[in-house]
Amino acid sequence: AQKVTQAQTEISVVEKEDVTLDCVYETRDTTYYLFWYKQPPSGELVFLIRRNSFDEQNEISGRYSWNFQKSTSSFNFTITASQVVDSAVYFCALSVVTQGGSEKLVFGKGTKLTVNP
Amino acid sequence: ETGVTQTPRHLVMGMTNKKSLKCEQHLGHNAMYWYKQSAKKPLELMFVYSLEERVENNSVPSRFSPECPNSSHLFLHLHTLQPEDSALYLCASSQEGHYNSPLHFGNGTRLTVT
Repeated sequence: AQKVTQAQTEISVVEKEDVTLDCVYETRDTTYYLFWYKQPPSGELVFLIRRNSFDEQNEISGRYSWNFQKSTSSFNFTITASQVVDSAVYFCALSVVTQGGSEKLVFGKGTKLTVNP
Repeated sequence: ETGVTQTPRHLVMGMTNKKSLKCEQHLGHNAMYWYKQSAKKPLELMFVYSLEERVENNSVPSRFSPECPNSSHLFLHLHTLQPEDSALYLCASSQEGHYNSPLHFGNGTRLTVT
């Protein structure tokens, strides 16, 4: 079964702290893609990153970094020097091909991050 | 224009009402999706349209009826809903054929069924 687990339901930090959001996935596919999305209070999910299963290099984008470990089926997301604007719900997702042949995303339940001033 | 626009932003309806949610994408994508987001549950895929044909229907009750008249517009027609259908309904689009292209989401319609 395809599944994404985000064990942390809510995290609260103080501004400038580093914070890591965990994501563990399950899939039998050898080729797959993983995503992170951010959902601010406005409701729209904002795409942050896509990583394919053959590329285990860590990625850094400004204060954001992602650690993909195939051996542990994890794709963790770290925010360095957090800011109040980082407060949002963050979703990890796994792409799957449906029986109908289309692609769809399986989402985790999300981690609500609150950054306090 | 934002990429994916959903209207209305908020909707309150009784169980006997009929209403429709509208989604429009300005990104030139050829696939559109409806997702349901309930409290404390993962986002659930409801429907997928690719090139205006429905390619996925995830065992959604018939009181939800999607319509995709063209590649830029997607509707979700609602009738005789139940209170447990109250949720945030998110529309998304992507470019099928570009494997695993990211989904672009709208702001959602917050639906309350009374």
